[in-house]
Amino acid sequence: QQQVKQSPQSLIVQKGGISIINCAYENTAFDYFPWYQQFPGKGPALLIAIRPDVSEKKEGRFTISFNKSAKQFSLHIMDSQPGDSATYFCAAGYGGSQGNLIFGKGTKLSVKP
Amino acid sequence: DAGITQSPRHKVTETGTPVTLRCHQTENHRYMYWYRQDPGHGLRLIHYSYGVKDTDKGEVSDGYSVSRSKTEDFLLTLESATSSQTSVYFCAIFGTGGNGYTFGSGTRLTVV
Repeated sequence: QQQVKQSPQSLIVQKGGISIINCAYENTAFDYFPWYQQFPGKGPALLIAIRPDVSEKKEGRFTISFNKSAKQFSLHIMDSQPGDSATYFCAAGYGGSQGNLIFGKGTKLSVKP
Repeated sequence: DAGITQSPRHKVTETGTPVTLRCHQTENHRYMYWYRQDPGHGLRLIHYSYGVKDTDKGEVSDGYSVSRSKTEDFLLTLESATSSQTSVYFCAIFGTGGNGYTFGSGTRLTVV
């Protein structure tokens, strides 16, 4: 009940295209779903996060879509740019005071010029 | 990364030796975490702390111990390093108010 399954493992997108990464979780008690972006040699950095009381959250070119009944959430990167090339991790957990997160295995995104 | 530093950044050690990694934060956060990152496995929680001298095990705690004697420092010790512990280790702090985790820059540990 603690797994977070992320797909695809890798993704190649042309500049200007839409990148879509999907995640599925099992524990219905989770109430915090963040996405992290990681560049080589760096630690992951929070990109965007959503709570289950909304179905979509948008920040610039990045959008999280959340489907509570299906226990799935996805990251959409609009107008993908070469600078978006990185590894993306979804996570799920409790967003309150404790904050323990379960991470997906990551998606390596390459945006071709 | 602002507010959280890890040391050393790189370390090569021999099988069977003890190794200690340090995480230091200046944010006065209560919760601190140690993760390891391996290809194909993502980030896996080793141990976490919810206060001074308060720690608990994560998913992959075997072979690791932690200590937190001050709010700002969280130490991870590999009691007797093995090759399977070759990995990149990340420390994280959890910010309240929906700020999520802030990760350190990582320690790349190689056990030969």
